[in-house]
Amino acid sequence: ETGVTQSPTHLIKTRGQQVTLRCSSQSGHNTVSWYQQALGQGPQFIFQYYREEENGRGNFPPRFSGLQFPNYSSELNVNALELDDSALYLCASSLDGGLRSPLHFGNGTRLTVT
Amino acid sequence: DQQVKQNSPSLSVQEGRISILNCDYTNSMFDYFLWYKKYPAEGPTFLISISSIKDKNEDGRFTVFLNKSAKHLSLHIVPSQPGDSAVYFCAASAWGAQKLVFGQGTRLTINP
Repeated sequence: ETGVTQSPTHLIKTRGQQVTLRCSSQSGHNTVSWYQQALGQGPQFIFQYYREEENGRGNFPPRFSGLQFPNYSSELNVNALELDDSALYLCASSLDGGLRSPLHFGNGTRLTVT
Repeated sequence: DQQVKQNSPSLSVQEGRISILNCDYTNSMFDYFLWYKKYPAEGPTFLISISSIKDKNEDGRFTVFLNKSAKHLSLHIVPSQPGDSAVYFCAASAWGAQKLVFGQGTRLTINP
């Protein structure tokens, strides 16, 4: 059974640039959620994708967008990067969009915006 | 608005003793609660969960207690081991919601 994998592990970008982060979900999981973890804070929900459709969104601006592909892998895109976007971005997969089974997290992508 | 709060940023416990991590929540719609453990450079890993219809759930050395009237839950680890040193996050969800709401985390250090 393959776990959740994220790429890249680290990334440095300049303010105003765009970034794409990638996630492969755990085998058999059809739901992917993205979370942002700022330093010293808990993860914050960005959005969830279920069967290629956005299925819920947190309090993040529209410049945060995503995609889910037929194989259930996912991308997180952030446009017009700001310094406050520097954080650990976590992808988590689960089955059937629900939260009654635990989320399985990847190791994250550490984004630094300078 | 911090709906899930872990008021202790850090906790230090001697090996073999009990570790008690606490979590408070404000949203009465939350009905499912989880604890995750996070090592540096890794993603959070699920530890244990509890539904609001229960007040206790046990899994080996880990027990979670839920006090709905006080909107409080706690994680007990007995006995504590060096490998338990990590950051622990409390999380909550409401029925039908797609998101987990996390606390800020408590860094647990187990001393030999």
